[in-house]
Amino acid sequence: EIVLTQSPGTLSLSPGERATLSCRASQSVSSNYLAWYQQKSGQAPRLLIYGASSRATGIPDRFSGTGSGTDFTLTISRLEPEDFAVYYCQQFGSSPSITFGQGTRLEIK
Amino acid sequence: QVQLVQSGAEVKKPGASVKVSCKASGYSSTSYALTWVRQAPGQGLEWMGWISGYNGNTNYAQNLQGRVTMTTDTSTSTDYMELRSLRSDDTAVYYCARGLLWFGEPRYFDYWGQGTLVTVSS
Repeated sequence: EIVLTQSPGTLSLSPGERATLSCRASQSVSSNYLAWYQQKSGQAPRLLIYGASSRATGIPDRFSGTGSGTDFTLTISRLEPEDFAVYYCQQFGSSPSITFGQGTRLEIK
Repeated sequence: QVQLVQSGAEVKKPGASVKVSCKASGYSSTSYALTWVRQAPGQGLEWMGWISGYNGNTNYAQNLQGRVTMTTDTSTSTDYMELRSLRSDDTAVYYCARGLLWFGEPRYFDYWGQGTLVTVSS
């Protein structure tokens, strides 16, 4: 089973700052199979990034994804007030075919 | 537009079963799988399984094998997730989500239902 470990658990930043969120896999993940989601309180998750670096439809270009192998990063270049939420990475692979990281909470400093 | 509309909240006793529905509209289901993800209160996302809209194939998370069944009613474009032998730790919000089929399996999920709260309590 591929385990995804996200860090930090909580990130405290101010609007306008740059956020860097990490997702580390216990085994190599194909870049095609790594996605990032944003979840706000009381809402369903929202797809941000798929294939490690492709933005989903309607996602602002301040969101970017990079990485390969076991290390992946979600970067938010300049935080807007609406970006404060919980972020999850997700991989597709061998059984169990889909796993999520435990999440990073991005909070206002 | 793509929509996934789920059934309403449920309260069940331990040992009972629950069946949650997810009605899809706005796209051709044969190109997609429908996955189910749950989230216990204050916790992260847990993948439960998926069902292919192309051929009805299913793939369930190992820890739920034998307790979960996912089905599709193609006549009404509605998917169902049934979970049996409910326990208190099954209390969660259950989401359905759409995933594009790629070589027969979904890789990521671009549209989500609004979630259904299932509470298991005696």
